[in-house]
Amino acid sequence: EVQLVESGGGLIQPGGSLRLSCAASGFTVSSNYMSWVRQAPGKGLEWVSVIYSGGSTYYADSVKGRFTISRDNSKNTLYLQMNSLRAEDTAVYYCARGRGKKTTSWFDPWGQGTLVTVSS
Amino acid sequence: QSVLTQPPSVSGAPGQRVTISCTGSSSNIGAGYDVHWYQQLPGTAPKLLIYGNSNRPSGVPDRFSGSKSGTSASLAITGLQAEDEADYYCQSYDSSPNWVFGGGTKLTVL
Repeated sequence: EVQLVESGGGLIQPGGSLRLSCAASGFTVSSNYMSWVRQAPGKGLEWVSVIYSGGSTYYADSVKGRFTISRDNSKNTLYLQMNSLRAEDTAVYYCARGRGKKTTSWFDPWGQGTLVTVSS
Repeated sequence: QSVLTQPPSVSGAPGQRVTISCTGSSSNIGAGYDVHWYQQLPGTAPKLLIYGNSNRPSGVPDRFSGSKSGTSASLAITGLQAEDEADYYCQSYDSSPNWVFGGGTKLTVL
């Protein structure tokens, strides 16, 4: 069964750092392009970052320079290192596998999400 | 402010048909990029409902259908059931790379 399980969320003070993990099973992370998508409380979905199978990474303008996406092929796990966190980063963070060609791609499956709360 | 525009809410009685619109621009849907739809039940992660404008993954009932024309797309749900009550999101691709979503539509089954 293809599955994604996130972990690492929690309460963090503004300016702090947190690393999210996304463990995959049923497929190989390094052979796919993987994204992080977040959802602020009561709000819609926002794409955050992608890592392609070749290793290229891209970020939404809202997190560029503060977040870093990476993967550990030996653990079949995706990561999101979040630094200089702000209140507006408060959200449930989902990891998701990209499917289809890049410009026509969709996300499937999604993990269950992990909540990040940035507050003093 | 989401890049793709959806109505905040729609409603319908059991058995009825409802549609949810998704309007983009020439840099995303109008550029020829596909539209995909997700269903998010309360307290759960989004689930793929329609991909490539009109394709249903296995396990999705044929009551759900999608279409795309110009800079817009639509999701139609026929034979509305209580279990369809959820938030629905459209998604496409924009430049950069950059994946974009609609603001979501809350479906209420009356």
